[in-house]
Amino acid sequence: NAGVTQTPKFQVLKTGQSMTLQCAQDMNHNSMYWYRQDPGMGLRLIYYSASEGTTDKGEVPNGYNVSRLNKREFSLRLESAAPSQTSVYFCASETGVTDTQYFGPGTRLTVL
Amino acid sequence: QKEVEQNSGPLSVPEGAIASLNCTYSDRGSQSFFWYRQYSGKSPELIMSIYSNGDKEDGRFTAQLNKASQYVSLLIRDSQPSDSATYLCAVNDGGATNKLIFGTGTLLAVQP
Repeated sequence: NAGVTQTPKFQVLKTGQSMTLQCAQDMNHNSMYWYRQDPGMGLRLIYYSASEGTTDKGEVPNGYNVSRLNKREFSLRLESAAPSQTSVYFCASETGVTDTQYFGPGTRLTVL
Repeated sequence: QKEVEQNSGPLSVPEGAIASLNCTYSDRGSQSFFWYRQYSGKSPELIMSIYSNGDKEDGRFTAQLNKASQYVSLLIRDSQPSDSATYLCAVNDGGATNKLIFGTGTLLAVQP
């Protein structure tokens, strides 16, 4: 039981490049979330998916898109990366009943 | 704007002492409350959840909730250097979704 996994662990992009961050969970959870964490800003919700087939914007969705590929996988795409998107990105999942979220190990992204 | 407030610290306590971490929240509709621990460079890890007024104990950790005062706290007894980390308070948004709102965290430093 791996819990929540994320790939890649580290990534460096140039401004304007695109990339997709992958997240998968093996806990049969209904809900999945993407956060970014910046110094002094705490965890901010980018997008979430309450169940397979649905996605909704969070607090800071601009510049990002998501896909809930199936119940296990939830990906985050940066279409044209900007230096302001330099951050640590965390994926989390939750049963949909208890509100308890479990986090993946994170992706450290630098945009030059 | 729903908010969760924490003192950023650092909170410095000697080894063996009780560490007291505090959190206030703005949404009276919130029903679920969580404490996460985050070591530097790592992902948030759930320590405690609490849903009703009063105290909830788990080993050296006690969570306290006072919904009337919109206040939740975490006590760590017999603090150890390994407890040194950032502690994040999270509160559900009180709406129809299971989204969590995170505080910016309190840095705890336990001095040997």
